[in-house]
Amino acid sequence: EDKVVQSPLSLVVHEGDTVTLNCSYEVTNFRSLLWYKQEKKAPTFLFMLTSSGIEKKSGRLSSILDKKELFSILNITATQTGDSAIYLCAVSSGGSNYKLTFGKGTLLTVNP
Amino acid sequence: EAQVTQNPRYLITVTGKKLTVTCSQNMNHEYMSWYRQDPGLGLRQIYYSMNVEVTDKGDVPEGYKVSRKEKRNFPLILESPSPNQTSLYFCASRKTQPRDGANYGYTFGSGTRLTVV
Repeated sequence: EDKVVQSPLSLVVHEGDTVTLNCSYEVTNFRSLLWYKQEKKAPTFLFMLTSSGIEKKSGRLSSILDKKELFSILNITATQTGDSAIYLCAVSSGGSNYKLTFGKGTLLTVNP
Repeated sequence: EAQVTQNPRYLITVTGKKLTVTCSQNMNHEYMSWYRQDPGLGLRQIYYSMNVEVTDKGDVPEGYKVSRKEKRNFPLILESPSPNQTSLYFCASRKTQPRDGANYGYTFGSGTRLTVV
């Protein structure tokens, strides 16, 4: 059974801090790992990672994948209150069901 | 605008009263799926569909039905809802065969918050 584990489950920081969110996985026939941000509604796409060691960046957010150790991290630098959200890690695996297996998420709270 | 549309956004119903949550996408995606999201459990797949008239169970299908008569629509049916189906539901879609380098992720609907009393 495919498994995705995120840590920590929740995190409270002050504006300006840097945070690192972790995601480890065990899946058969790995295709890609995705990060989503979920505020009050639907998850919105942040990054898709398929290759080890190649950092993806978007503004203050960055992410990298290690396919040998089966994990990914999501970094957020100079956090702002608008970064407060649940961050979801998901893995896309092959097979007849193109499903995404999600971790439980990390609830990030950024205080002013 | 490319999107997945779910209705209703909020629903309170009573145990045993059949209900349908609709989902429609305008991106010509072959693959559609329903998830439920519960605190401490994350997002779990209920049913999925690879294309018209092709549906199959996900990880938590008990108490749910789906149909895929047209490519754009994938309704979720609760024949006899129970309180343990109180949850936040998401419909999602994607291309079955994305182009190389394309996003393998889903486009999500806005969610349906269902309460069964």
